[in-house]
Amino acid sequence: EAQVTQNPRYLITVTGKKLTVTCSQNMNHEYMSWYRQDPGLGLRQIYYSMNVEVTDKGDVPEGYKVSRKEKRNFPLILESPSPNQTSLYFCASRKANYGYTFGSGTRLTVV
Amino acid sequence: QKEVEQDPGPLSVPEGAIVSLNCTYSNSAFQYFMWYRQYSRKGPELLMYTYSSGNKEDGRFTAQVDKSSKYISLFIRDSQPSDSATYLCAVTHSGNTPLVFGKGTRLSVIA
Repeated sequence: EAQVTQNPRYLITVTGKKLTVTCSQNMNHEYMSWYRQDPGLGLRQIYYSMNVEVTDKGDVPEGYKVSRKEKRNFPLILESPSPNQTSLYFCASRKANYGYTFGSGTRLTVV
Repeated sequence: QKEVEQDPGPLSVPEGAIVSLNCTYSNSAFQYFMWYRQYSRKGPELLMYTYSSGNKEDGRFTAQVDKSSKYISLFIRDSQPSDSATYLCAVTHSGNTPLVFGKGTRLSVIA
Protein backbone atom coordinates (compact mmCIF):
# COMPACT_ATOMS: atom_id res chain seq x y z
CA GLU A 1 0.00 0.00 0.00
CA ALA A 2 1.32 3.44 -0.97
CA GLN A 3 1.77 5.42 2.19
CA VAL A 4 3.69 7.83 4.33
CA THR A 5 4.56 6.37 7.72
CA GLN A 6 5.54 8.53 10.64
CA ASN A 7 6.42 7.51 14.16
CA PRO A 8 5.61 7.85 16.91
CA ARG A 9 1.90 8.75 16.75
CA TYR A 10 1.94 10.26 20.22
CA LEU A 11 4.85 11.63 22.21
CA ILE A 12 5.10 13.41 25.54
CA THR A 13 8.53 14.74 26.41
CA VAL A 14 10.21 17.26 28.66
CA THR A 15 11.75 20.58 27.72
CA GLY A 16 15.26 20.24 26.34
CA LYS A 17 15.28 16.50 25.70
CA LYS A 18 16.27 15.86 22.08
CA LEU A 19 13.82 13.88 20.01
CA THR A 20 13.40 12.61 16.47
CA VAL A 21 10.17 11.96 14.60
CA THR A 22 10.71 9.55 11.75
CA CYS A 23 9.03 9.69 8.35
CA SER A 24 9.24 7.18 5.55
CA GLN A 25 7.46 6.93 2.17
CA ASN A 26 7.29 3.97 -0.21
CA MET A 27 6.20 5.82 -3.37
CA ASN A 28 9.63 6.93 -4.64
CA HIS A 29 8.58 10.58 -4.32
CA GLU A 30 11.27 13.22 -4.71
CA TYR A 31 9.51 15.88 -2.68
CA MET A 32 8.97 15.58 1.08
CA SER A 33 7.83 18.07 3.64
CA TRP A 34 7.07 18.58 7.33
CA TYR A 35 4.10 20.60 8.57
CA ARG A 36 2.78 21.52 11.96
CA GLN A 37 -0.92 22.11 12.51
CA ASP A 38 -2.19 24.34 15.30
CA PRO A 39 -5.75 25.52 16.06
CA GLY A 40 -6.49 28.79 14.31
CA LEU A 41 -3.17 28.74 12.43
CA GLY A 42 -3.74 25.90 10.00
CA LEU A 43 -0.94 23.92 8.37
CA ARG A 44 2.42 25.63 8.41
CA GLN A 45 5.44 24.26 6.61
CA ILE A 46 8.55 23.65 8.71
CA TYR A 47 11.04 22.25 6.18
CA TYR A 48 10.89 20.67 2.77
CA SER A 49 13.20 18.62 0.59
CA MET A 50 13.16 18.46 -3.18
CA ASN A 51 15.47 15.46 -3.33
CA VAL A 52 18.25 13.61 -1.51
CA GLU A 53 20.63 16.01 0.26
CA VAL A 54 18.47 19.01 -0.78
CA THR A 55 16.52 20.68 2.03
CA ASP A 56 15.13 24.16 2.54
CA LYS A 57 13.34 26.14 5.23
CA GLY A 58 9.62 26.57 5.23
CA ASP A 59 7.63 29.18 7.11
CA VAL A 60 8.46 28.11 10.69
CA PRO A 61 11.88 26.39 10.76
CA GLU A 62 13.19 27.75 14.08
CA GLY A 63 13.94 25.00 16.58
CA TYR A 64 13.82 22.19 14.02
CA LYS A 65 16.32 20.27 11.91
CA VAL A 66 15.86 17.79 9.09
CA SER A 67 18.02 15.54 6.97
CA ARG A 68 17.48 13.70 3.68
CA LYS A 69 20.18 11.08 3.31
CA GLU A 70 17.91 8.62 1.51
CA LYS A 71 15.01 9.27 -0.81
CA ARG A 72 12.44 7.45 1.32
CA ASN A 73 13.28 8.95 4.75
CA PHE A 74 12.92 12.48 6.06
CA PRO A 75 13.28 12.65 9.87
CA LEU A 76 12.38 15.74 11.89
CA ILE A 77 14.74 16.54 14.76
CA LEU A 78 14.02 18.77 17.74
CA GLU A 79 17.40 19.35 19.41
CA SER A 80 16.00 21.13 22.45
CA PRO A 81 12.19 21.00 22.45
CA SER A 82 10.22 23.77 24.12
CA PRO A 83 6.53 23.96 25.11
CA ASN A 84 5.73 26.18 22.10
CA GLN A 85 6.58 23.21 19.90
CA THR A 86 3.61 21.30 21.29
CA SER A 87 1.63 20.62 18.15
CA LEU A 88 0.31 18.09 15.65
CA TYR A 89 3.01 17.28 13.08
CA PHE A 90 2.52 15.87 9.61
CA CYS A 91 5.01 14.48 7.16
CA ALA A 92 4.03 14.46 3.50
CA SER A 93 5.47 13.46 0.16
CA ARG A 94 4.55 14.19 -3.45
CA LYS A 95 5.67 13.64 -6.97
CA ALA A 96 5.97 16.51 -9.42
CA ASN A 97 2.69 17.99 -10.63
CA TYR A 98 0.61 16.22 -8.05
CA GLY A 99 -0.68 16.73 -4.53
CA TYR A 100 0.72 15.53 -1.24
CA THR A 101 0.18 12.23 0.46
CA PHE A 102 0.17 12.87 4.19
CA GLY A 103 1.13 10.66 7.08
CA SER A 104 -1.25 10.02 9.98
CA GLY A 105 0.34 12.65 12.20
CA THR A 106 2.40 12.84 15.39
CA ARG A 107 0.88 14.57 18.37
CA LEU A 108 3.76 16.04 20.38
CA THR A 109 3.43 17.48 23.85
CA VAL A 110 6.41 19.22 25.45
CA VAL A 111 6.08 19.84 29.19
CA GLN B 1 -2.83 40.22 3.00
CA LYS B 2 -2.64 36.48 3.58
CA GLU B 3 -1.77 34.40 0.53
CA VAL B 4 -4.82 32.14 0.87
CA GLU B 5 -8.00 33.06 2.71
CA GLN B 6 -10.62 30.50 3.69
CA ASP B 7 -13.69 30.93 5.87
CA PRO B 8 -13.20 28.64 8.89
CA GLY B 9 -16.91 27.97 9.37
CA PRO B 10 -18.23 25.88 10.94
CA LEU B 11 -20.70 25.14 8.18
CA SER B 12 -23.65 22.92 9.01
CA VAL B 13 -25.96 21.54 6.30
CA PRO B 14 -28.69 18.86 6.10
CA GLU B 15 -27.98 15.57 4.37
CA GLY B 16 -28.53 15.81 0.62
CA ALA B 17 -27.71 19.52 0.38
CA ILE B 18 -25.29 21.01 -2.12
CA VAL B 19 -22.25 22.38 -0.31
CA SER B 20 -20.09 25.21 -1.61
CA LEU B 21 -16.64 25.75 -0.08
CA ASN B 22 -14.48 28.64 -1.21
CA CYS B 23 -11.00 30.16 -1.03
CA THR B 24 -9.47 33.34 -2.34
CA TYR B 25 -5.79 33.85 -3.04
CA SER B 26 -3.66 36.90 -3.59
CA ASN B 27 -0.84 35.85 -5.94
CA SER B 28 -1.75 35.58 -9.62
CA ALA B 29 1.33 33.39 -10.18
CA PHE B 30 -0.37 30.39 -8.55
CA GLN B 31 -1.10 27.79 -11.21
CA TYR B 32 -1.99 24.62 -9.31
CA PHE B 33 -5.00 24.31 -7.03
CA MET B 34 -5.95 21.54 -4.66
CA TRP B 35 -8.60 20.53 -2.16
CA TYR B 36 -7.89 18.27 0.79
CA ARG B 37 -10.28 16.62 3.24
CA GLN B 38 -9.20 16.05 6.83
CA TYR B 39 -11.13 13.91 9.25
CA SER B 40 -10.62 14.42 12.95
CA ARG B 41 -7.30 12.99 14.19
CA LYS B 42 -6.24 12.04 10.63
CA GLY B 43 -3.89 13.45 8.04
CA PRO B 44 -5.29 15.47 5.13
CA GLU B 45 -6.13 13.46 2.01
CA LEU B 46 -6.10 14.83 -1.51
CA LEU B 47 -9.58 15.23 -3.05
CA MET B 48 -9.05 17.30 -6.16
CA TYR B 49 -6.06 18.61 -8.11
CA THR B 50 -6.47 21.13 -10.92
CA TYR B 51 -4.17 23.12 -13.11
CA SER B 52 -5.06 26.66 -14.24
CA SER B 53 -8.68 27.75 -14.70
CA GLY B 54 -11.75 25.65 -15.28
CA ASN B 55 -13.80 22.89 -13.70
CA LYS B 56 -12.95 19.35 -12.71
CA GLU B 57 -15.48 16.78 -11.63
CA ASP B 58 -15.02 13.57 -9.65
CA GLY B 59 -18.18 11.82 -8.56
CA ARG B 60 -20.10 14.12 -6.21
CA PHE B 61 -17.22 16.63 -6.06
CA THR B 62 -16.57 19.50 -8.47
CA ALA B 63 -13.59 21.83 -8.22
CA GLN B 64 -13.77 25.20 -9.91
CA VAL B 65 -10.97 27.71 -10.49
CA ASP B 66 -11.50 31.30 -11.58
CA LYS B 67 -8.05 32.81 -12.03
CA SER B 68 -9.42 36.18 -13.09
CA SER B 69 -11.06 36.55 -9.68
CA LYS B 70 -8.41 34.53 -7.80
CA TYR B 71 -11.22 32.39 -6.46
CA ILE B 72 -11.43 28.61 -6.06
CA SER B 73 -14.43 26.54 -5.08
CA LEU B 74 -15.33 23.00 -4.14
CA PHE B 75 -18.91 21.84 -4.62
CA ILE B 76 -20.25 18.70 -2.96
CA ARG B 77 -23.51 17.35 -4.35
CA ASP B 78 -25.88 15.14 -2.36
CA SER B 79 -23.84 15.67 0.78
CA GLN B 80 -23.59 12.78 3.23
CA PRO B 81 -22.82 12.60 6.97
CA SER B 82 -19.54 10.93 5.95
CA ASP B 83 -18.55 14.21 4.26
CA SER B 84 -18.33 15.84 7.69
CA ALA B 85 -14.70 16.93 7.93
CA THR B 86 -12.44 19.93 7.56
CA TYR B 87 -11.75 20.95 3.96
CA LEU B 88 -8.50 22.70 3.10
CA CYS B 89 -7.63 24.46 -0.11
CA ALA B 90 -4.01 24.64 -1.25
CA VAL B 91 -2.22 26.49 -4.05
CA THR B 92 1.24 26.50 -5.54
CA HIS B 93 3.21 28.09 -8.37
CA SER B 94 4.52 25.01 -10.13
CA GLY B 95 4.71 21.26 -9.89
CA ASN B 96 7.68 21.36 -7.52
CA THR B 97 7.14 24.39 -5.31
CA PRO B 98 5.82 24.35 -1.73
CA LEU B 99 2.08 24.36 -1.19
CA VAL B 100 0.32 27.22 0.57
CA PHE B 101 -2.70 26.01 2.54
CA GLY B 102 -5.83 27.78 3.62
CA LYS B 103 -6.76 27.32 7.28
CA GLY B 104 -9.64 25.01 6.46
CA THR B 105 -13.44 25.07 6.67
CA ARG B 106 -15.14 22.70 9.11
CA LEU B 107 -18.21 21.08 7.56
CA SER B 108 -20.93 19.11 9.36
CA VAL B 109 -23.58 17.24 7.39
CA ILE B 110 -26.53 16.45 9.59
CA ALA B 111 -28.58 13.27 8.94
